[in-house]
Amino acid sequence: QKEVEQDPGPLSVPEGAIVSLNCTYSNSAFQYFMWYRQYSRKGPELLMYTYSSGNKEDGRFTAQVDKSSKYISLFIRDSQPSDSATYLCAMRANTGNQFYFGTGTSLTVIP
Amino acid sequence: KAGVTQTPRYLIKTRGQQVTLSCSPISGHRSVSWYQQTPGQGLQFLFEYFSETQRNKGNFPGRFSGRQFSNSRSEMNVSTLELGDSALYLCASSWATGGAGNTIYFGEGSWLTVV
Repeated sequence: QKEVEQDPGPLSVPEGAIVSLNCTYSNSAFQYFMWYRQYSRKGPELLMYTYSSGNKEDGRFTAQVDKSSKYISLFIRDSQPSDSATYLCAMRANTGNQFYFGTGTSLTVIP
Repeated sequence: KAGVTQTPRYLIKTRGQQVTLSCSPISGHRSVSWYQQTPGQGLQFLFEYFSETQRNKGNFPGRFSGRQFSNSRSEMNVSTLELGDSALYLCASSWATGGAGNTIYFGEGSWLTVV
């Protein structure tokens, strides 16, 4: 079993829709959770960073962490065509600097 | 502030050859990590260097190696290339190795094709 599981999609939504992206994990030592956005043929770009359980909002993006269920989510409100990309969840434990990534969800927002 | 810079961006190599990829971290960042990204496996951790010392290593064969210089710049080397080494190689930098608030920032990657 992989340490981080992510539905690869692809996910296709109309412009303006609310998008929900999710990851599950198995390692209870994970404390820091991130979401990266990766455009085609580009490196991943950090979108959201959260620590432990709870919600964090940044503009149209909301990250949620539920450590009891080992489940994290990224919500995108009022989705735009420019949001079309692959979204990667990532996480790490309290010690060390090794990050564990989901395989990514491909999102297309249709104008 | 300049981001993480990787060179070369694209390269084609023949099986059996070796390749060296270079990474310049964000100014002030002392940790450099390398990841391999493929469609089937996603992002897989290769190794991390901090203050010229390898701090952690992923589950890759010894053909994959790296080093870090005193200015924090890093190189990774793959010897005896195999077709399965074709991938996007990503370098990521961070200001520390672990700790609260520490996260990693990626470069654009080096696309390696082995023929």
